[in-house]
Amino acid sequence: QQPVQSPQAVILREGEDAVINCSSSKALYSVHWYRQKHGEAPVFLMILLKGGEQKGHDKISASFNEKKQQSSLYLTASQLSYSGTYFCGTERRRDDKIIFGKGTRLHILP
Amino acid sequence: NAGVTQTPKFQVLKTGQSMTLQCAQDMNHEYMSWYRQDPGMGLRLIHYSVGAGITDQGEVPNGYNVSRSTTEDFPLRLLSAAPSQTSVYFCASRRVGYNEQFFGPGTRLTVL
Repeated sequence: QQPVQSPQAVILREGEDAVINCSSSKALYSVHWYRQKHGEAPVFLMILLKGGEQKGHDKISASFNEKKQQSSLYLTASQLSYSGTYFCGTERRRDDKIIFGKGTRLHILP
Repeated sequence: NAGVTQTPKFQVLKTGQSMTLQCAQDMNHEYMSWYRQDPGMGLRLIHYSVGAGITDQGEVPNGYNVSRSTTEDFPLRLLSAAPSQTSVYFCASRRVGYNEQFFGPGTRLTVL
């Protein structure tokens, strides 16, 4: 039931854009996105709910395609601070357990 | 608020030993979870709880026990440690009906 993330790793130069994908074989209620810096705990970025709108803050946004059970995280004009591992987590019902994917490592070069 | 706290930060065990990883939160969150993180495997759910007295299994529960006697605490017990349980363990909590899950700083466990 673990969602599938792609790509596994991305290397970008500062200012470039990136897209990270998350897909599930099961119907979903929500998709969560988290970022983890090396040696630290994951930190919540945003959640996409079934029937909800595309979310975003600063230059990071995300969408959720309910028909395909897929979510995408968009990082625009990437900054050095965006480096880290991004995880998507999925819920099948409201207030259900959150199951995470294996993560996408993002490395931003100056 | 201290948020989610975990103790110890580091632990080395010998195969067969037992121990308890402590997790506490002071945000009055109903929902608490334990995850383990291994290279290339992401965050895998071990056990979770939706409130005091209620626990359920996650993706990888074998070898671990949990209990939830209070809202604040959610300890994870390793019954007989095995090298395969070498990992970083994260505890997390969130309020029912709210989106954001808060993670503790993690416990790095090595089993020899």
